[in-house]
Amino acid sequence: AQSVTQLDSQVPVFEEAPVELRCNYSSSVSVYLFWYVQYPNQGLQLLLKYLSGSTLVKGINGFEAEFNKSQTSFHLRKPSVHISDTAEYFCAVSDLRNTPLVFGKGTRLSVIA
Amino acid sequence: NAGVTQTPKFQVLKTGQSMTLQCAQDMNHNSMYWYRQDPGMGLRLIYYSASEGTTDKGEVPNGYNVSRLNKREFSLRLESAAPSQTSVYFCASSEQLATGELFFGEGSRLTVL
Repeated sequence: AQSVTQLDSQVPVFEEAPVELRCNYSSSVSVYLFWYVQYPNQGLQLLLKYLSGSTLVKGINGFEAEFNKSQTSFHLRKPSVHISDTAEYFCAVSDLRNTPLVFGKGTRLSVIA
Repeated sequence: NAGVTQTPKFQVLKTGQSMTLQCAQDMNHNSMYWYRQDPGMGLRLIYYSASEGTTDKGEVPNGYNVSRLNKREFSLRLESAAPSQTSVYFCASSEQLATGELFFGEGSRLTVL
């Protein structure tokens, strides 16, 4: 079965600094990969997804992620964060075997003015 | 453009009481899910329904039951609430199981005293 590890539970970063949120997955088969964002007191919404093709995926709000099959990683990056990026970010994986997505435990990003 | 609607948004129960969380989606999605979110635990899947007429257990099904009433509606029932079920519950839907984007409701905050 697949699993997802988000290596950092909390990431504080100053406004306008770059950020990387790390995600590693384990699966023996091909995967789809997702990043979701949860703003305070809201449900999750899709930030970006990798299904196939280019390994660099661009999402909403200036975020991007790179699929690295050899390292089984899908790290999320943004070159310059804003206060409004403060939220919890979840990585998720699907092994395409007709089972639900598996989510990581989340990384809380706090942007400091 | 409602998307996924959950009711109620807040509920306080006493130990042993029962209640049902309601969820409805208006996107004609086949698959629906119930998750619970607890601090430091991320999102944990309780039950899911791959398509109308089917339901399956997720990671943490004990103490819960579900009903896929029709294609639009998927309810979660706590027969005898326990303090360990204090959590935020999210309903989600997707066009197909695992391969599609999940759309989440805004959450239902349940406190069991």
